[in-house]
Amino acid sequence: DTGVSQDPRHKITKRGQNVTFRCDPISEHNRLYWYRQTLGQGPEFLTYFQNEAQLEKSRLLSDRFSAERPKGSFSTLEIQRTEQGDSAMYLCASSTTGLAGNEQFFGPGTRLTVL
Amino acid sequence: DQQVKQNSPSLSVQEGRISILNCDYTNSMFDYFLWYKKYPAEGPTFLISISSIKDKNEDGRFTVFLNKSAKHLSLHIVPSQPGDSAVYFCAAVPRLDSNYQLIWGAGTKLIIKP
Repeated sequence: DTGVSQDPRHKITKRGQNVTFRCDPISEHNRLYWYRQTLGQGPEFLTYFQNEAQLEKSRLLSDRFSAERPKGSFSTLEIQRTEQGDSAMYLCASSTTGLAGNEQFFGPGTRLTVL
Repeated sequence: DQQVKQNSPSLSVQEGRISILNCDYTNSMFDYFLWYKKYPAEGPTFLISISSIKDKNEDGRFTVFLNKSAKHLSLHIVPSQPGDSAVYFCAAVPRLDSNYQLIWGAGTKLIIKP
């Protein structure tokens, strides 16, 4: 399977706990994006990596959120001290550089429920 | 502020007819537009795109039209098929020299009736 994969697909946690999600992009893609999507809305940009460098973070990304892409391959998104408002679908996407990079390929998402 | 707007939350179309999904945007600096399709429990899948220097792009049953003066684009699907039932998102790229961050509309749920 050469698509974008995300793990876990579903996560239920209690308020105040920390959670970590993983994304494995398409292997030859050097760009990786994290988005958050809530019901009835389109995805909202959270952060972007080019190789291992995190080049942009949305103001939506509070200091409880941290993302890494240590070797320029897979990425992790950690949420500390989760709040009920963090409940959402977290989507990862990857793309190549250049004009073709406009076409971002998405994983199936991780659905987070904070109780 | 919502820079990309899809004002129809849902659309129902008879199988075989044309489906027209609409999208409006407010930022005249958008360089590139994309349509994605999303099935339940899956991530969005890229469908078709158009550069701001063009007014039409066609790929099989899918055609995207761009009217820059009206800041409006539309996706035409003809003929519509049951497998087209999904949520369709319009997305825009602010600048081609940017990080290619996508700005998304809220989506339109398309239902194809047999």
